[in-house]
Amino acid sequence: AQKVTQAQTEISVVEKEDVTLDCVYETRDTTYYLFWYKQPPSGELVFLIRRNSFDEQNEISGRYSWNFQKSTSSFNFTITASQVVDSAVYFCALGGPIYNQGGKLIFGQGTELSVKP
Amino acid sequence: KAGVTQTPRYLIKTRGQQVTLSCSPISGHRSVSWYQQTPGQGLQFLFEYFSETQRNKGNFPGRFSGRQFSNSRSEMNVSTLELGDSALYLCASSLRQNTDTQYFGPGTRLTVL
Repeated sequence: AQKVTQAQTEISVVEKEDVTLDCVYETRDTTYYLFWYKQPPSGELVFLIRRNSFDEQNEISGRYSWNFQKSTSSFNFTITASQVVDSAVYFCALGGPIYNQGGKLIFGQGTELSVKP
Repeated sequence: KAGVTQTPRYLIKTRGQQVTLSCSPISGHRSVSWYQQTPGQGLQFLFEYFSETQRNKGNFPGRFSGRQFSNSRSEMNVSTLELGDSALYLCASSLRQNTDTQYFGPGTRLTVL
């Protein structure tokens, strides 16, 4: 069965601090894909990044970076120099197998990040 | 390019009623998925449609149904509403059926009294 665990329910930091959101997944699929989404108070899930299981390169996009490690089944998300606008709930999601017809995503419970000025 | 749109944004119903929610995907996207979000259960997959055919279904009772039209727009229906159906219902669209990235709409907040 597929499962995503985000052990951190809430994180509170002060602006300009770095923060890492953890994501651990379980799957029996040999090909799969992972996402991070951001959900601000407005409710819409905003796509941040997608990683396929055969692509273990880490990614950096501005203040955001992602560390994908298949050996530990983890896909962690780091925000450098956090800002108040980063305050939101962040979800990690798992889908697969990649060449399946269906697009079902399994979501973690989310991590609520609060960045205080 | 316009994003995924969902109507209505807010809805209040009473137990026993039925409700229909609408979703318009991003232009050119042919796959639509629906998710239910509640504080207790989190985000759960309801179903996915591609070319007017249901491709995948989550573990929800038969009171939850959906359909997709030839223009890729989708509707979901919940009959005989229960208090536990109160949730944020999110629609996502993707380019093709084969697990492309899903882009989400703003959701419909359903309250059942």
